Amino acid sequence: KNEVEQSPQNLTAQEGEFITINCSYSVGISALHWLQQHPGGGIVSLFMLSSGKKKHGRLIATINIQEKHSSLHITASHPRDSAVYICAVGKGGSEKLVFGKGTKLTVNP
Amino acid sequence: DAGVIQSPRHEVTEMGQEVTLRCKPISGHNSLFWYRQTMMRGLELLIYFNNNVPIDDSGMPEDRFSAKMPNASFSTLKIQPSEPRDSAVYFCASSEGRNSPLHFGNGTRLTVT
Repeated sequence: KNEVEQSPQNLTAQEGEFITINCSYSVGISALHWLQQHPGGGIVSLFMLSSGKKKHGRLIATINIQEKHSSLHITASHPRDSAVYICAVGKGGSEKLVFGKGTKLTVNP
Repeated sequence: DAGVIQSPRHEVTEMGQEVTLRCKPISGHNSLFWYRQTMMRGLELLIYFNNNVPIDDSGMPEDRFSAKMPNASFSTLKIQPSEPRDSAVYFCASSEGRNSPLHFGNGTRLTVT
């Protein structure tokens, strides 16, 4: 079993829909990262969190340490949100990240 | 700041040739990471440095791979000799340290024929 599991693997939505991507992990972590990779290939860090909730524009990330679970929400989704979203966790005291396989999101106009 | 700069963007080479990938981290960042991304395995950490010192190279596939960070503003990842299975996108990233956001370069797409 992978240490970081994401669901769903693929997600197709209509513009304007509320999107949720889930990430579960099985190890003790120091922080959890959400990354976005656009079709062009570049990777951007969206959030890094170790507790609670963070919001940036239409994106919201939450984490529940007890349940070892994080969610990434996108409100009022737009075709430009189409990308692969990757969850990664920092294990214990290390800077080494373990990555999920990613969720491919397609938002249709 | 220009961000993390990687070169080249694309590299096509023949099996057996030496390949050198280059990375300039963001100024002031203490940690530098080399990742490889393939369709089959996703993103994998190859090696990371802290203050120019290699900390964890357990992800380096085999002796054909080597990485150096001679100073705070430059790192190289070398593959010698290259093999077709090394074909992947190689990303360099830097951060200010533990529990800091990662900043990725645009990656080098390597094709070994």
